Amino acid sequence: EVQLVESGGGLVQPGGSLRLSCAASGFTFSNYAMNWVRQTPGKGLEWVSTISSDGSITYYADSVKGRFTISRDNSKNTLYLQMNSLRAEDTAVYYCAKSRSGRSYSAFDYWGQGTLVTVSS
Amino acid sequence: QSVLTQPPSVSGAPGQRVTISCTGSSSNIGARYDVHWYQQLPGTAPKLLIYDNSNRPSGVPDRFSGSKSDTSASLAITGLQADDEADYYCQSYDRSLSGYVFGTGTKVTVL
Repeated sequence: EVQLVESGGGLVQPGGSLRLSCAASGFTFSNYAMNWVRQTPGKGLEWVSTISSDGSITYYADSVKGRFTISRDNSKNTLYLQMNSLRAEDTAVYYCAKSRSGRSYSAFDYWGQGTLVTVSS
Repeated sequence: QSVLTQPPSVSGAPGQRVTISCTGSSSNIGARYDVHWYQQLPGTAPKLLIYDNSNRPSGVPDRFSGSKSDTSASLAITGLQADDEADYYCQSYDRSLSGYVFGTGTKVTVL
């Protein structure tokens, strides 16, 4: 059974930093691209970042480019999101999601339960 | 601000058929990028419902179907059931933004 378990969310002041983790199990982690998606409470979904299966290629939404860094440790089956220079508008539930296939622009077939990040003074 | 537009809400009686549209542009759906659909039940994470325009993952009932044409896509739900009440999102890739984009979301209500 595929499982994705996020952790690391919490309350942080504007300008602060936070690192999210996503522990994966139930599939060969190193074979799949992984993604972060966020959802503002009561609002829609926003893609944040994608990393290739080997970690060599990363993509970011313009809204987080230069502030967030996605990475992975295939030996630990874990995905990360380092978030710096946080702003109030980064407040959201952050989900990690697995890409369904090795094809580009693949759907996200499994999602974690999400972790809440609140940016407030 | 999403580049994929969906109606805010649709509703139908049990057993009826409802459709949800997802309107994009020449830089996403019209550029032949695949469209995927997700169902988000209240208080839960999104779940993949349709991938690559019209394919259902294992376990998704055939009451759910997807289609795509030109710069738009649609999700149809037939035989509407009470537990279909959820938010539904379309997703594609946008070459101008060089990233994935989600639709604005549609809330389905079963009357």
